[in-house]
Amino acid sequence: QKEVEQNSGPLSVPEGAIASLNCTYSDRVSQSFFWYRQYSGKSPELIMSIYSNGDKEDGRFTAQLNKASQYVSLLIRDSQPSDSATYLCAVRRTGNQFYFGTGTSLTVIP
Amino acid sequence: GAVVSQHPSWVICKSGTSVKIECRSLDFQATTMFWYRQFPKQSLMLMATSNEGSKATYEQGVEKDKFLINHASLTLSTLTVTSAHPEDSSFYICSASTSGRLNEQFFGPGTRLTVL
Repeated sequence: QKEVEQNSGPLSVPEGAIASLNCTYSDRVSQSFFWYRQYSGKSPELIMSIYSNGDKEDGRFTAQLNKASQYVSLLIRDSQPSDSATYLCAVRRTGNQFYFGTGTSLTVIP
Repeated sequence: GAVVSQHPSWVICKSGTSVKIECRSLDFQATTMFWYRQFPKQSLMLMATSNEGSKATYEQGVEKDKFLINHASLTLSTLTVTSAHPEDSSFYICSASTSGRLNEQFFGPGTRLTVL
């Protein structure tokens, strides 16, 4: 079982719609959860961090964490073509052990 | 946000030569730095984790004698690809994290290595 699992997609949504990206993780002791955005040919960029159960909102982005279900998601409201990228879910366990998912490719269609 | 720089951003070298890539955390002290490699249309592959002043921990299958990592200070880590070959051509990305920033990991812009 992989440490972090994401649906590779591709996920396509029309401009203005809500994009929903999902991630599950295997280790219950995971402490911190992150979403990164990676444009083609570029390095990942941190867009959201979440540490406790519930929702965390930042502009058009909302991260949701459910530790009981070992599930973290990212919602992008009012999706824009510039949101088209690969989204990486990452999980940190104790110390500095990070685990990345393989990423979900999102395309926002104008 | 925290800034991590990498130098050079791209490099082309001949087979058999060595290439050094620098990674710097510009506005914070990085207790841990990570080195990744990414081939086109593939996911990130962690190569090694290094803590300042100690030896790097390499992932399984990564040759430590080929990929030399030095983490000399809390703001600088270097990756040297020794005796590079065409199959080493890839996108190399470093990242840095610190407990002071809730262990968020910040990535450098990456170095594109092409070995002829």
